[in-house]
Amino acid sequence: GAVVSQHPSRVICKSGTSVKIECRSLDFQATTMFWYRQFPKQSLMLMATSNEGSKATYEQGVEKDKFLINHASLTLSTLTVTSAHPEDSSFYICSGQLGEKLFFGSGTQLSVL
Amino acid sequence: AQSVTQLDSQVPVFEEAPVELRCNYSSSVSVYLFWYVQYPNQGLQLLLKYLSGSTLVKGINGFEAEFNKSQTSFHLRKPSVHISDTAEYFCAVRTGGGNKLTFGTGTQLKVEL
Repeated sequence: GAVVSQHPSRVICKSGTSVKIECRSLDFQATTMFWYRQFPKQSLMLMATSNEGSKATYEQGVEKDKFLINHASLTLSTLTVTSAHPEDSSFYICSGQLGEKLFFGSGTQLSVL
Repeated sequence: AQSVTQLDSQVPVFEEAPVELRCNYSSSVSVYLFWYVQYPNQGLQLLLKYLSGSTLVKGINGFEAEFNKSQTSFHLRKPSVHISDTAEYFCAVRTGGGNKLTFGTGTQLKVEL
């Protein structure tokens, strides 16, 4: 089946720094990628939808200037958490769409000290 | 807006015993329903889905789920579990077009010898 590779799997950073998370579709072209966030004991919450070559669509309550999404190619989308703070510590997951199917990355655990 | 409730955060079960993971949803419109599984250090994988037709849906690894519209439920079942079924299971709902999913909080299935 199709594979989505997400890196890094775990990152620890200092408060105020920026962190970039990469999501690559390895054997298919994903015109649409989705970014989710999961806090402990809570649901995966959709943050934004990104379409290749256009601006991402953010869900209500998600700061677009803080969570920068770039989808410059059909196989790569990146999420940059800018000026990270401890409350941004969470599990971030991406998924790529192929037809009507979604393929998920393995997630990134972000810890902000 | 739709929502998904997974009442059980953890379900311990002995190997070869049957298991049921509960999922209830709320939506004012017709829904599509999904179960995903996440093994340790891996991305979410689709177990099964209900789009239309027969309310009993069979998925991979011997799992099945039944869509019950009157009870707004989509419980996941397996008649005999294996150690390798130990994982996190997520129920999700989608309405209308697109691939925007609403997830439940997940159920950790732990199969013991």
